[in-house]
Amino acid sequence: EIVLTQSPATLSLSPGERATLSCRASQSISSHLGWYQQKPGQAPRLLIYHASNRATGIPARFSGSGSGTDFTLTISSLEPEDFVIYYCQQRSNWPLTFGQGTRLEIK
Amino acid sequence: EVQLVESGGGLVQPGGSLRLSCAASGFTFSTYAMGWVRQAPGKGLEWVSVISASGGSTFYADSVKGRFTVSRDNAKNTQYLQMNGLRVDDTAVYYCAKDHGEPNYFDPWGQGTLVTVSS
Repeated sequence: EIVLTQSPATLSLSPGERATLSCRASQSISSHLGWYQQKPGQAPRLLIYHASNRATGIPARFSGSGSGTDFTLTISSLEPEDFVIYYCQQRSNWPLTFGQGTRLEIK
Repeated sequence: EVQLVESGGGLVQPGGSLRLSCAASGFTFSTYAMGWVRQAPGKGLEWVSVISASGGSTFYADSVKGRFTVSRDNAKNTQYLQMNGLRVDDTAVYYCAKDHGEPNYFDPWGQGTLVTVSS
């Protein structure tokens, strides 16, 4: 099973700042990584697929990068609604797996 | 607009069974794989299952293999999750999700249905 490790567990920043979230895979997954955002009480929403492709309707301030084992989700300028939880997910191998999540909180 | 509506959750005793349903609309259901993902209270996301567009292929997490069965009825635009031998650690919100198009990414998700396994 491929283990995804997200860091940091919690990231404290202010609106307008740049956020960098990390996801590391226990073995190479090429570019087979997605990012999801989950707001309180809501279902997750796909932000990024295949490492760097924005899903439909996702604002341009969200971008993804990386390949192999190291991946990054960048939010260029934080809006108040961005302070929620983010998960990465790999589809390279069965079973599909998620990271444990990064909580983005207001500093 | 794509809509996914889960139903069938509830309280069940350990060892019991439940069947979840996911009614889909707003897209050609028979051409997309579908998934189930669960989230225990206050915890992260755990993938449960995927079923191919035709229903001919199914995939499961090890934690549910042999106890859960995913199926679909393309004529009714509905996915199902039959859950047998339920355990306390199966307690979670179960989300139905549509395959993105790029296989095995999920977009969008339903609102979820809560399954509570407790005596």
